[in-house]
Amino acid sequence: SQQGEEDPQALSIQEGENATMNCSYKTSINNLQWYRQNSGRGLVHLILIRSNEREKHSGRLRVTLDTSKKSSSLLITASRAADTASYFCATDGFRENQGGKLIFGQGTELSVKP
Amino acid sequence: SAVISQKPSRDICQRGTSLTIQCQVDSQVTMMFWYRQQPGQSLTLIATANQGSEATYESGFVIDKFPISRPNLTFSTLTVSNMSPEDSSIYLCSVAAYQDTQYFGPGTRLTVL
Repeated sequence: SQQGEEDPQALSIQEGENATMNCSYKTSINNLQWYRQNSGRGLVHLILIRSNEREKHSGRLRVTLDTSKKSSSLLITASRAADTASYFCATDGFRENQGGKLIFGQGTELSVKP
Repeated sequence: SAVISQKPSRDICQRGTSLTIQCQVDSQVTMMFWYRQQPGQSLTLIATANQGSEATYESGFVIDKFPISRPNLTFSTLTVSNMSPEDSSIYLCSVAAYQDTQYFGPGTRLTVL
């Protein structure tokens, strides 16, 4: 079953603006990962944040994690047309028998207009 | 990071036939997984491919429909058997690498007519 809910489902912005996507999940986690998918291709790993971290940066990406609210956000600053893609969060679950399996959110479709 | 390749990248198949998808990793990994992404949907885990033993399937997925092989630590196959149009999806393999990061292959886009 799907763990996460993402909002918004779709987001359309102008180039140069910031884009914020949110992810909520249900169970305790060890870590949360964000991925990008272009036009139904493979997933590109963006960033992993662990349950004991609150914020992480990678280039124009900023990820926050609030384990008390079971939520995470992905911020893309100064967006570019090339950022147009679907973005997914994925959690690993906390139970020992999960063995690295990921549970994905429904995704946010981001469109950046030139 | 791990580099993963999949074959074929896409295929169009007739109902009732089977397709085997290959996943090759450029380094030895312990954990390999197979996911399905139905049109317009998110990813759902099909099974964990275990080296030297049977795959572990998630609820709703069975070995007769999705047999999986894992002959070594760098290679796995997923077969989609007796296909129907409902099997039209993108199938992706992934590996769990250093420090829990999971990397995905480019996917196999399957269309069943």
